[in-house]
Amino acid sequence: EAEVAQSPRYKITEKSQAVAFWCDPISGHATLYWYRQILGQGPELLVQFQDESVVDDSQLPKDRFSAERLKGVDSTLKIQPAELGDSAMYLCASSPGSAANEQFFGPGTRLTVL
Amino acid sequence: GDSVTQMEGPVTLSEEAFLTINCTYTATGYPSLFWYVQYPGEGLQLLLKATKADDKGSNKGFEATYRKETTSFHLEKGSVQVSDSAVYFCALKGSGFQKLVFGTGTRLLVSP
Repeated sequence: EAEVAQSPRYKITEKSQAVAFWCDPISGHATLYWYRQILGQGPELLVQFQDESVVDDSQLPKDRFSAERLKGVDSTLKIQPAELGDSAMYLCASSPGSAANEQFFGPGTRLTVL
Repeated sequence: GDSVTQMEGPVTLSEEAFLTINCTYTATGYPSLFWYVQYPGEGLQLLLKATKADDKGSNKGFEATYRKETTSFHLEKGSVQVSDSAVYFCALKGSGFQKLVFGTGTRLLVSP
């Protein structure tokens, strides 16, 4: 069964350092999403890609966060510099298209900033 | 903007008890509604969905009915198992390019 892959699964870093997360969506899925899930809360969308284009990044803190999906397949989310408040689970999801009802989630990357 | 409100947890039940987790929503138009489940240390899995009023989504013994008149999508299961222990998220998505909006989640703990 096809799955969304993410790496690393866990990341511990010190504040002011740079971190990067990788996501490989289900093959053929045109839409890719990055979510942030703070402990005890529901996921919140950070950025949405349709192929290689950003569709929605209205909740992405652009002063420190960046995301790219250069060839419209896998994607990288970067934080530089990391802050204590960035500690959270970062989830990637994909769907066949933006209008599709179902999104398929990866296992997530748990980030701890010390 | 669109929003989802879930009952606070944890919900603690004994095995074979009846489960209800309440979910209400606020949205413009006619959103699709979802329940996702998150097991410890894992990502979210779609449990069930409903795309229009009066639709009933069901999976693995769980059910939820899209009630437009009460803007609700309550999750139910007749007999829970220990393996159902997880966090359950209610979510909505508007039509087209709208994003998924999640509730805060409800933790379910089932004891033998």
